[in-house]
Amino acid sequence: AAGVIQSPRHLIKEKRETATLKCYPIPRHDTVYWYQQGPGQDPQFLISFYEKMQSDKGSIPDRFSAQQFSDYHSELNMSSLELGDSALYFCASSFRDRAYEQYFGPGTRLTVT
Amino acid sequence: AQKVTQAQTEISVVEKEDVTLDCVYETRDTTYYLFWYKQPPSGELVFLIRRNSFDEQNEISGRYSWNFQKSTSSFNFTITASQVVDSAVYFCALSAFSTSGTYKYIFGTGTRLKVLA
Repeated sequence: AAGVIQSPRHLIKEKRETATLKCYPIPRHDTVYWYQQGPGQDPQFLISFYEKMQSDKGSIPDRFSAQQFSDYHSELNMSSLELGDSALYFCASSFRDRAYEQYFGPGTRLTVT
Repeated sequence: AQKVTQAQTEISVVEKEDVTLDCVYETRDTTYYLFWYKQPPSGELVFLIRRNSFDEQNEISGRYSWNFQKSTSSFNFTITASQVVDSAVYFCALSAFSTSGTYKYIFGTGTRLKVLA
């Protein structure tokens, strides 16, 4: 069965640069979620989208923005990167009416140097 | 408040020992979902089990078993006859309904399990 696809899998950026992470949900899933997991920490909810509209927001820095496109894929844009942004970024997807059942992608490991 | 507590930060066992990972949750929702995930060193989150609040039956899957008790708000995970390949960080998570009408996962801080040969 098709899973959530995230690209790139690994990304190295320097401080103050910009990064874009992409997420392709499971086919027919209409809701996308982003989570951030810092080193030695648990995943923390950042933001979610349904039908291209933001549906919920967590502790997402103002330097980060995200959107969902008409084909349901989503992009997380991070600007003015800081060392503390180094983390694993997970995307998850679900059907809107089964949002309690989220499927996680393999994650993108972002390293900021 | 919605919260998941995994009090055990790290556990070390010798291969073939049984080990139980504890999870205590807090929620005011009457309908909620609980999960366990395994995170190996490679980093991906491997789904192990989902339980809804109306299903208190314990479950066994091979060497894994789960004990869900609403009375104590606990959802504990036992690995029988542990193996070195079980070494990983294990997360308990709660699917929390938000006022926006959708769900977000709240994770515990994780328990690092080390199985020694």
